Amino acid sequence: GQQVMQIPQYQHVQEGEDFTTYCNSSTTLSNIQWYKQRPGGHPVFLIQLVKSGEVKKQKRLTFQFGEAKKNSSLHITATQTTDVGTYFCAGPGDNNDMRFGAGTRLTVKP
Amino acid sequence: EAQVTQNPRYLITVTGKKLTVTCSQNMNHEYMSWYRQDPGLGLRQIYYSMNVEVTDKGDVPEGYKVSRKEKRNFPLILESPSPNQTSLYFCASSSRGGYYEQFFGPGTRLTVL
Repeated sequence: GQQVMQIPQYQHVQEGEDFTTYCNSSTTLSNIQWYKQRPGGHPVFLIQLVKSGEVKKQKRLTFQFGEAKKNSSLHITATQTTDVGTYFCAGPGDNNDMRFGAGTRLTVKP
Repeated sequence: EAQVTQNPRYLITVTGKKLTVTCSQNMNHEYMSWYRQDPGLGLRQIYYSMNVEVTDKGDVPEGYKVSRKEKRNFPLILESPSPNQTSLYFCASSSRGGYYEQFFGPGTRLTVL
């Protein structure tokens, strides 16, 4: 069945360093969504990408959707302690189910 | 305020004792689903519902039941819980499945002894 893989599983950075998490799907996606889960919290929607090759920015966050619509990335420039959390990518399956990646847990050292 | 609510937030129970986790949304969303979150495995979909009286199995449905008798409610039922169902559970809703953002509830931490 469809799989969504995400790497790395963990990333520890010094405040001010950049961070990137990568997401790969075994099948083409109609769209990809990114979520952030703060420690002890619930996932919160960040953004959705729909078009092949799409790039969207939210302040220090840059999201990309691959040309083949099978991969995506989230890049954070100059991390801050407020960026701490787990970042998930997710995409719809063929049967209206939702597939989430395993997540990348980001910790930031002040 | 638009939200998804779950109850209880925390539950400790024993093997075999039937339990229900309630989920309700006030956004008139058609799509609702349940996920479990386990370390290293991310969010795995248990069941989802496209609309009232329509439910489908997700990735890990074994040991769970759901029902969707009303649009706003989507309870998760564990008829005979086992220790391997100890997990963090999230209910979520969206206006139309995977094509729109998912709104998550606060989570229910379940421990089965």
